[in-house]
Amino acid sequence: AQKITQTQPGMFVQEKEAVTLDCTYDTSDPSYGLFWYKQPSSGEMIFLIYQGSYDQQNATEGRYSLNFQKARKSANLVISASQLGDSAMYFCAMTPSGGGNKLTFGTGTQLKVEL
Amino acid sequence: EPEVTQTPSHQVTQMGQEVILRCVPISNHLYFYWYRQILGQKVEFLVSFYNNEISEKSEIFDDQFSVERPDGSNFTLKIRSTKLEDSAMYFCASSVLAGEVAGELFFGEGSRLTVL
Repeated sequence: AQKITQTQPGMFVQEKEAVTLDCTYDTSDPSYGLFWYKQPSSGEMIFLIYQGSYDQQNATEGRYSLNFQKARKSANLVISASQLGDSAMYFCAMTPSGGGNKLTFGTGTQLKVEL
Repeated sequence: EPEVTQTPSHQVTQMGQEVILRCVPISNHLYFYWYRQILGQKVEFLVSFYNNEISEKSEIFDDQFSVERPDGSNFTLKIRSTKLEDSAMYFCASSVLAGEVAGELFFGEGSRLTVL
């Protein structure tokens, strides 16, 4: 069984600052995928970034980067230069090896960007 | 940019009624999914669908639920006899890949179901 833990129910960050959202995971699968999704107040789920467990480099997508530390089983999301529009709920998720896109989600972190 | 579309965006129904939620996945995608999110809780996997059959389902997906791809474009979730606890946001998703290394999963905007 897989498990995702997000220990920060809420985070505040000042506009233009960087913020790190924590995610740790537990799995016995040798290969897996890690995802981050953003859910604004309107409710839709927006894909942000993906990291494969065998990827040598940390994934980056614009202002988003994933700090992947395999030995520590952590996959933290770093948002650089925060914007007001980044205020949303952020979910970390993972899929097992050969398990397609059956995502297991964490409980989420509510990020609020302040002026 | 291609997107997954869902209808209705919000449906209110009486307990015991049948509900059908509709989704149009991205046209070249091969794998289709339903997830749900009870208000204030995390998103949960319900079912995955590939090659016109269910490939995996969770324990939530009991006999009250069914999925269908009635034509080349729509993907539906039917709840036969709704219960109060079925009230949730239901997300449809699709992807091109789903093998050894999972591909990017595209979600629709969700259908909010309220059971009274």
